[in-house]
Amino acid sequence: AQSVAQPEDQVNVAEGNPLTVKCTYSVSGNPYLFWYVQYPNRGLQFLLKYITGDNLVKGSYGFEAEFNKSQTSFHLKKPSALVSDSALYFCAVRGSYGNNRLAFGKGNQVVVIP
Amino acid sequence: DTAVSQTPKYLVTQMGNDKSIKCEQNLGHDTMYWYKQDSKKFLKIMFSYNNKELIINETVPNRFSPKSPDKAHLNLHINSLELGDSAVYFCASSQEGAGGWSSYNEQFFGPGTRLTVL
Repeated sequence: AQSVAQPEDQVNVAEGNPLTVKCTYSVSGNPYLFWYVQYPNRGLQFLLKYITGDNLVKGSYGFEAEFNKSQTSFHLKKPSALVSDSALYFCAVRGSYGNNRLAFGKGNQVVVIP
Repeated sequence: DTAVSQTPKYLVTQMGNDKSIKCEQNLGHDTMYWYKQDSKKFLKIMFSYNNKELIINETVPNRFSPKSPDKAHLNLHINSLELGDSAVYFCASSQEGAGGWSSYNEQFFGPGTRLTVL
């Protein structure tokens, strides 16, 4: 079955500094990878996804993520963090065959310090 | 225009009661989901319907019964509520195609229903 690991509980970063949120995955077949963001008391919002093609994908609000097949990783990045980026970030994966339901990681709380 | 809406937003009730949460999507999607988010923010899928047919039924107590009257609606009825049912319940939708397995499309989430069982 597919699974996602987000090793850190919380990521603290100073405003203006680069932000990275880590994600590794395990899946049967080719991975379809997603990042979602959840602001307080809100539902999850889609940020970006990797399906195929260029390993670097760009998404909403200046976020991007890099797919690394050999390391089975899909880390989320933003060159310059904003205070408004403080939220809970979820990585998710589904496989290209078999039981390919979407599996979410446990989430990472990002705190951007002014 | 709300894409995925849920009602109610908050639900406070006593143990043993029966309650329902409603979900509607106006995106024209063919697949809808119920997720449970616990107090530690873990997100766990409960059910999924594709074209009104149940395709995912995770290990959920049979006190939980989903119903999909049409492709745009997925309701969740909970019987005999227990303290452990307290959580935030999210509805979501996506376009998956026949069978509900074929797509890599993203899911769209509703705002959540915070259920508190006293």
